[in-house]
Amino acid sequence: NAGVMQNPRHLVRRRGQEARLRCSPMKGHSHVYWYRQLPEEGLKFMVYLQKENIIDESGMPKERFSAEFPKEGPSILRIQQVVRGDSAAYFCASSVRDLTYNEQFFGPGTRLTVL
Amino acid sequence: DAKTTQPPSMDCAEGRAANLPCNHSTISGNEYVYWYRQIHSQGPQYIIHGLKNNETNEMASLIITEDRKSSTLILPHATLRDTAVYYCIVLKRNNAGNMLTFGGGTRLMVKP
Repeated sequence: NAGVMQNPRHLVRRRGQEARLRCSPMKGHSHVYWYRQLPEEGLKFMVYLQKENIIDESGMPKERFSAEFPKEGPSILRIQQVVRGDSAAYFCASSVRDLTYNEQFFGPGTRLTVL
Repeated sequence: DAKTTQPPSMDCAEGRAANLPCNHSTISGNEYVYWYRQIHSQGPQYIIHGLKNNETNEMASLIITEDRKSSTLILPHATLRDTAVYYCIVLKRNNAGNMLTFGGGTRLMVKP
């Protein structure tokens, strides 16, 4: 059973470009979480999605950031018109829908560098 | 979710037990204590969790005080590969999502 997969692992963008980060959850997992880790800081929650639904986006910046988790395919975190402050590691985690077991499995992260 | 307090850093000799403390004095009755760790440049890894009883698995033991205001994660025989930042997280388990709130954590350095 493959773990959570994220791609690309490293992404370089110039200011003003768009960044698309992909996350494939573990097989059988229907919950996806995105977190951002700025350099030398802890992870901060961004958004929580289930298939075709955004459940909680309280941690998402109000502009330029969006996320989706379509019925088929990976979850996508999209950042439009990137700025240098968007440079960070973006981690995706997935879990099963089970009140008694909600361990989150994390992917290896995508490191975004904005030039 | 309750706030947690951890020492920013600790050292441990290889082969010895590493005891990582966490204070969560405002924890409520339905909140669990979770521990994750993040090895440099990797995604966080789940270690263990508990409610009020002590727990043990293949990675670690979790000791929760009777009043539940603090806990200790124990790595019984630390190895160099256990060098990481360890996060103590308190959260409710519910059907509405369980986003993790990561504090500063404890940076554990295991030394030969």
